[in-house]
Amino acid sequence: GAVVSQHPSWVICKSGTSVKIECRSLDFQATTMFWYRQFPKQSLMLMATSNEGSKATYEQGVEKDKFLINHASLTLSTLTVTSAHPEDSSFYICSATGGLADTNTGELFFGEGSRLTVL
Amino acid sequence: LAKTTQPISMDSYEGQEVNITCSHNNIATNDYITWYQQFPSQGPRFIIQGYKTKVTNEVASLFIPADRKSSTLSLPRVSLSDTAVYYCLVGRGAGTALIFGKGTTLSVSS
Repeated sequence: GAVVSQHPSWVICKSGTSVKIECRSLDFQATTMFWYRQFPKQSLMLMATSNEGSKATYEQGVEKDKFLINHASLTLSTLTVTSAHPEDSSFYICSATGGLADTNTGELFFGEGSRLTVL
Repeated sequence: LAKTTQPISMDSYEGQEVNITCSHNNIATNDYITWYQQFPSQGPRFIIQGYKTKVTNEVASLFIPADRKSSTLSLPRVSLSDTAVYYCLVGRGAGTALIFGKGTTLSVSS
């Protein structure tokens, strides 16, 4: 299957700083990428949908000014957690669809996830 | 987006067949049914996908009745390494996000 890679896989930062997480589709062009957040023992929660070259669409309750999403190319999307606080500590997962990886079947390819810990 | 309902947890022993059933009463005509597996601190991994009847691959089978309001993931002869959370999702194609339900935590014991 198609490969989606996230970086970093884990990051620890101080409260008030900003953290950027990258999501790359390695062998296909991702026209659409999705960002999920997962707290311990819980399911994945969709945060936003981003289409290449367009502004991201955020789910209700997700602050767009806090979670900045950029999808400037067909192989890269970034999530920046601005002014991070301990409650932002979570497992962030991206997924991608489009091109050779997926046509009409709805299959999403997921990254390995990025563990953010805010002290 | 169709909502899915699965058992919260299941227990099994090594070598047994495990069947996890998912209800999706509001599935739309264009929706596919996809199952993912997730281990702790990892992203979900694709298991199998189907639209109707039966689909089989090297790791699982997916049974979908004619009304498509439910589906059953069948894992033959599970091993300890199959201990994970299994998610059933329905979605209608490229560009559409998949909404995760609570999933089923499968615990396999020796």
